[in-house]
Amino acid sequence: NAGVTQTPKFRVLKTGQSMTLLCAQDMNHEYMYWYRQDPGMGLRLIHYSVGEGTTAKGEVPDGYNVSRLKKQNFLLGLESAAPSQTSVYFCASSRTSAETQYFGPGTRLLVL
Amino acid sequence: AQRVTQPEKLLSVFKGAPVELKCNYSYSGSPELFWYVQYSRQRLQLLLRHISRESIKGFTADLNKGETSFHLKKPFAQEEDSAMYYCALSYNTDKLIFGTGTRLQVFP
Repeated sequence: NAGVTQTPKFRVLKTGQSMTLLCAQDMNHEYMYWYRQDPGMGLRLIHYSVGEGTTAKGEVPDGYNVSRLKKQNFLLGLESAAPSQTSVYFCASSRTSAETQYFGPGTRLLVL
Repeated sequence: AQRVTQPEKLLSVFKGAPVELKCNYSYSGSPELFWYVQYSRQRLQLLLRHISRESIKGFTADLNKGETSFHLKKPFAQEEDSAMYYCALSYNTDKLIFGTGTRLQVFP
């Protein structure tokens, strides 16, 4: 039981490049979330999903897209990376909205 | 609008001293509050939630609706408590909003 995993762990991009971050969970959770963590700003919700095939915007969705084609996977895409998207990205999942969120180890992204 | 405020970026104490990490919230509904912790080189994990009213690793937190606070307390800090602590509020039944976090440093 791996819990929540994230791929890749670290990535360097040039401005304008695109990439996809993969989050996978093996706990059969309905809810999945993408956050970004920046110094002095805590964790901010980018997008989330309340079930397979659904997505919704969080607090800071601009510049990102997501897809939840399978219940266990939640993808975060950057179509045209910008230096402002340099951050640590965390994925999380939970059984219901009010229950504990389980976090992945994070993906460190550097956009030059 | 809903908001979580952690006024201290850094809290430094000596081993054995009491610890209180402050958290205030703003929410018009009935709050669900959590404390998450991130130890060095580990992933973020739940420490405790107000609804369960339990003590984890010696930490407790009481919801004070009058003062809209959910402060985290421990009577005697240990070095292994050194970590980043985040207070979080669940709202609209499907989202969590986090505070900016407080780094706790416990010196020997």
